[in-house]
Amino acid sequence: EVQLVETGGGLVQPGKSLKLTCATSGFTFSTAWMHWVRQSPEKRLEWIARIKDKSNNYATDYVESVKGRFTISRDDSKSSVYLQMNSLKEEDTATYYCTTGKDWGQGVMVTVSS
Amino acid sequence: DVVMTQTPVSLSLAIGQPASISCKSSQSLLGTSGKTFLNWILQRPGQSPKRLIYQVSKLYSEVPDRFSGSGSETEFTLKISRVEAEDLGVYYCWQGTHFPQTFGGGTKLELK
Repeated sequence: EVQLVETGGGLVQPGKSLKLTCATSGFTFSTAWMHWVRQSPEKRLEWIARIKDKSNNYATDYVESVKGRFTISRDDSKSSVYLQMNSLKEEDTATYYCTTGKDWGQGVMVTVSS
Repeated sequence: DVVMTQTPVSLSLAIGQPASISCKSSQSLLGTSGKTFLNWILQRPGQSPKRLIYQVSKLYSEVPDRFSGSGSETEFTLKISRVEAEDLGVYYCWQGTHFPQTFGGGTKLELK
């Protein structure tokens, strides 16, 4: 059974940092391209980042709104993908999902507020 | 970015009725590979999104065959032949042809 479990969310002040972790199991993680997608409080979905596999040099892509602030990474030995979020803004408040494109995690809430 | 427009915003149907949801893209979703990366996902109340359909019309193995997808270029449709109680929730179309991937605004299916 495929499982993706996100952790690391919480309440953080504007300008601060947070790191999300997505631990996975049940599929061949090392060859999977992994994504982070967020859902605003208004329920709009936004794709924010992708990391490819080793054969594609772990190439990364980001949506413009997070470029330079967020960093996606992975550890194939732990079957995990990460999202380092710096310089957080109130508009980053959302539920963050990791996804393979087929399967989704349960999501983790991030609230940016003073 | 490619804008994905879904209609209707909400749908209220009785069990057994058919459903149809439209998704239109601001650019053709036909990729250089000859494939069209248009997906449909369902988010049930209080749950994370679940996969339904990929590449316009291909159902994932666990998805009931009362669901179907069709369309091409910029216009796509998700149909449910007979709505069941477990089908309620918000349906999203999602394109992966163009960077960045983008989602429709969602269609909420409610039971009458």
